[in-house]
Amino acid sequence: GDSVTQMEGPVTLSEEAFLTINCTYTATGYPSLFWYVQYPGEGLQLLLKATKADDKGSNKGFEATYRKETTSFHLEKGSVQVSDSAVYFCALSPSSGNTGKLIFGQGTTLQVKP
Amino acid sequence: NAGVTQTPKFQVLKTGQSMTLQCAQDMNHNSMYWYRQDPGMGLRLIYYSASEGTTDKGEVPNGYNVSRLNKREFSLRLESAAPSQTSVYFCASSEMAVGEQFFGPGTRLTVL
Repeated sequence: GDSVTQMEGPVTLSEEAFLTINCTYTATGYPSLFWYVQYPGEGLQLLLKATKADDKGSNKGFEATYRKETTSFHLEKGSVQVSDSAVYFCALSPSSGNTGKLIFGQGTTLQVKP
Repeated sequence: NAGVTQTPKFQVLKTGQSMTLQCAQDMNHNSMYWYRQDPGMGLRLIYYSASEGTTDKGEVPNGYNVSRLNKREFSLRLESAAPSQTSVYFCASSEMAVGEQFFGPGTRLTVL
């Protein structure tokens, strides 16, 4: 079945460091791919998305490119801030049987220190 | 707009007790979802409702029931709570079958 795998956390960085959180997926066809962010004590909110191969999603300085050949959707940011500390989830929406279901990775905790 | 609201925020149950988690959205979305979040396992889909009047099982439906009361409301019921159901429960909604899901703030449930 479809699945999403994220790098293990926690990831600890100093402010202004470069961030990469790896995400790979297994799915048939061409799923849509998402990154969600969860701040402490809150629900998830959409950070960015890409719906077809080679699309680049971007928001708030974060970027991710849909790579069909490597089945990856890695999240990057050039310079992180303390306020970026959160849990980040990679997710996919299967291309078939469209019900809007999302399949999530296990989440990666990011801690940014001043 | 309140978005997606959930009640209660916290709940402690004893094994065997029942309860209903409430969810409502004010965005006129067609689809609604219930997830549970457990450490190291991401979010797993319990049940979903693609449209008013329909419900379907997700990845982990055992021990739960749902009701799509109307377009706004989607409740999750635990008939006989078990310690394995200790988790954080999130409700979400979306307008389209493939698109952004909007999440509520969650309900933290502990079953003793």
